[in-house]
Amino acid sequence: GQQVMQIPQYQHVQEGEDFTTYCNSSTTLSNIQWYKQRPGGHPVFLIQLVKSGEVKKQKRLTFQFGEAKKNSSLHITATQTTDVGTYFCAGEYGNKLVFGAGTILRVKS
Amino acid sequence: NAGVTQTPKFRILKIGQSMTLQCTQDMNHNYMYWYRQDPGMGLKLIYYSVGAGITDKGEVPNGYNVSRSTTEDFPLRLELAAPSQTSVYFCASSYTYNEQFFGPGTRLTVL
Repeated sequence: GQQVMQIPQYQHVQEGEDFTTYCNSSTTLSNIQWYKQRPGGHPVFLIQLVKSGEVKKQKRLTFQFGEAKKNSSLHITATQTTDVGTYFCAGEYGNKLVFGAGTILRVKS
Repeated sequence: NAGVTQTPKFRILKIGQSMTLQCTQDMNHNYMYWYRQDPGMGLKLIYYSVGAGITDKGEVPNGYNVSRSTTEDFPLRLELAAPSQTSVYFCASSYTYNEQFFGPGTRLTVL
């Protein structure tokens, strides 16, 4: 079946440091979505990337979609304690989303 | 709008028991999904529906059944519960194949 690999599994940063999580698919994606899940909460949609090479920003968050539409990244500049949680990418294959295993972000203040 | 609601929030089942997890959305979304999330893992799709009367299997459908008689409701049925079904279950809905709205989840333990 389709798989989306996400790395790293876990990252612990000092408040103010940057953070990046990467997502890779073995096949071309229709689009890729990013979600954030706070501890004990449910996934919340962040953004969807559709076009090859697309870059989108949301305040301190920068999302990129690879030229071949097989990989993506989420970069957070100057992390804050409110950024704590698990970040998931999800690749769309046909009419279904396949989620990566997520990257857990912990921020030390 | 309440969004996506799920009941119950928590449940403990004995091996072999059955139960139905309820999911309702009030956004008039055609697409609805059931996922399970095991500790430290991503979400695995169990079943999904693209409209009332239409359902299809996801990655991990064994041991589960669904029905979709209305646009709003998408219940998930567990027959003969097994310890391997201990997980957090999330229901989600979407307008098309884009942004999915998730419910708060049901934490199920099978002992």
